[in-house]
Amino acid sequence: DTGVSQNPRHKITKRGQNVTFRCDPISEHNRLYWYRQTLGQGPEFLTYFQNEAQLEKSRLLSDRFSAERPKGSFSTLEIQRTEQGDSAMYLCAGNIAGGELFFGEGSRLTVL
Amino acid sequence: DQQVKQNSPSLSVQEGRISILNCDYTNSMFDYFLWYKKYPAEGPTFLISISSIKDKNEDGRFTVFLNKSAKHLSLHIVPSQPGDSAVYFCAAETSGTYKYIFGTGTRLKVLA
Repeated sequence: DTGVSQNPRHKITKRGQNVTFRCDPISEHNRLYWYRQTLGQGPEFLTYFQNEAQLEKSRLLSDRFSAERPKGSFSTLEIQRTEQGDSAMYLCAGNIAGGELFFGEGSRLTVL
Repeated sequence: DQQVKQNSPSLSVQEGRISILNCDYTNSMFDYFLWYKKYPAEGPTFLISISSIKDKNEDGRFTVFLNKSAKHLSLHIVPSQPGDSAVYFCAAETSGTYKYIFGTGTRLKVLA
C-alpha cells in the first residue's frame, strides 16, 4: 500500500459526458503526477504538480482535460465531453522531491 | 517517438531460474532509471532504481544493470518465483525535469 488513493476505481460513462477523478497522495508528496495507460502500453505522462503549481502538461492533455491541485494536497482530473478514445486507466502518483513514484491503484474509465 | 523501449512483450521462465528483462533508451540525457511491477487492476509498484553514476544496483533477488554506452538496462530476477508473474515497466528520467518516461512493458510469466 503506497498510501495514494484514487476514486472512483471504475467509471463507466456515455460519450459526451463529463467525468472527474480524484487522487489523494500522502501528505509528504510535494509532487503529484497524472498518467494514462491504455492496453498494451506503458503509462503515458499527462501532467504534474509541485505543491499546487501545475508545472508541465503533455500534448496528450487536450483542452477537454483539466487537472487541479488546489491546496497542494489532493488533485482532480476532469475530462469534459468524453470520447471513446479516452477509455483508459488513469494513474496518479506522488513523490518527494525526486526519486521513485508511488502510484495509486488507478481509475479505469470506460466510455460507451 | 518512443524514448524508452521494451522490445520483448512477453517472457516465460521456469520457477527457480533467472529472469532477464531488457530495456533500451534513446535519450542520452536520461540519468535515472527505475523498474516497476504491475499486477492486473493495480497501480505499478516500484521495484528498484539506478542512477547513471552506477552500473549495477542490487536489492535481494532483483539486480539492475546499466550500460550507458549501449543505452541499455536490464533487470535480473534470481531465483524467479510464480509471484513474480506480472508486467514489468522500465522508466527513465533526466534529473531536474521530474518527468518519468515509461516503456511499453514486458509480461513475465514464471512457470511452477
